[in-house]
Amino acid sequence: GAGVSQSPSNKVTEKGKDVELRCDPISGHTALYWYRQSLGQGLEFLIYFQGNSAPDKSGLPSDRFSAERTGGSVSTLTIQRTQQEDSAVYLCASSLTTGLDEQYFGPGTRLTVT
Amino acid sequence: AQTVTQSQPEMSVQEAETVTLSCTYDTSENNYYLFWYKQPPSRQMILVIRQEAYKQQNATENRFSVNFQKAAKSFSLKISDSQLGDTAMYFCAFMKRNSGNTPLVFGKGTRLSVIA
Repeated sequence: GAGVSQSPSNKVTEKGKDVELRCDPISGHTALYWYRQSLGQGLEFLIYFQGNSAPDKSGLPSDRFSAERTGGSVSTLTIQRTQQEDSAVYLCASSLTTGLDEQYFGPGTRLTVT
Repeated sequence: AQTVTQSQPEMSVQEAETVTLSCTYDTSENNYYLFWYKQPPSRQMILVIRQEAYKQQNATENRFSVNFQKAAKSFSLKISDSQLGDTAMYFCAFMKRNSGNTPLVFGKGTRLSVIA
């Protein structure tokens, strides 16, 4: 079946512009996660959705970052007024909600802020 | 808060040889899972192996096995008969077991190069 997909694959934007990153989880997966991977770093948790609600927003680095999920499926991560330090690979993962649920990752969006 | 430490930023191994990647973690939790993920240049994160903390037996998946030492909070990955396709970043990750899902906590990764 189809895996997690993300779009765009790469995004170059100018400092100060807003960007939207999209994640399509595996069908039937109710949990969805966003992570950020900066150069030379591990993955940093940003936000988690269970259905359409986000019980844990603790990882969002600033109020310029927001995310939503509609219909229990597609999620959008929005970064307003982008800064150079926002440059990173943004990875999305999804999983089922019961038991030991493996997180399945998408290929990521590489964001470059110039 | 949980932390995961991978002390080897880079490693290399000859094809067909065995290599061990180190991982230590810090947590006050008693019920959790540990994972090793592989990230090739394509950026796709692939689950290599997982271990449930309550299981004493070390997990094995074909050429991949772990040495899980719960008291020492150590979770190393052994790759046997290394292949060129094993070249990738390897991330150790921790997940607290909860009634719902919880996010993964990752180490900074080890870049493994398999040399022909």
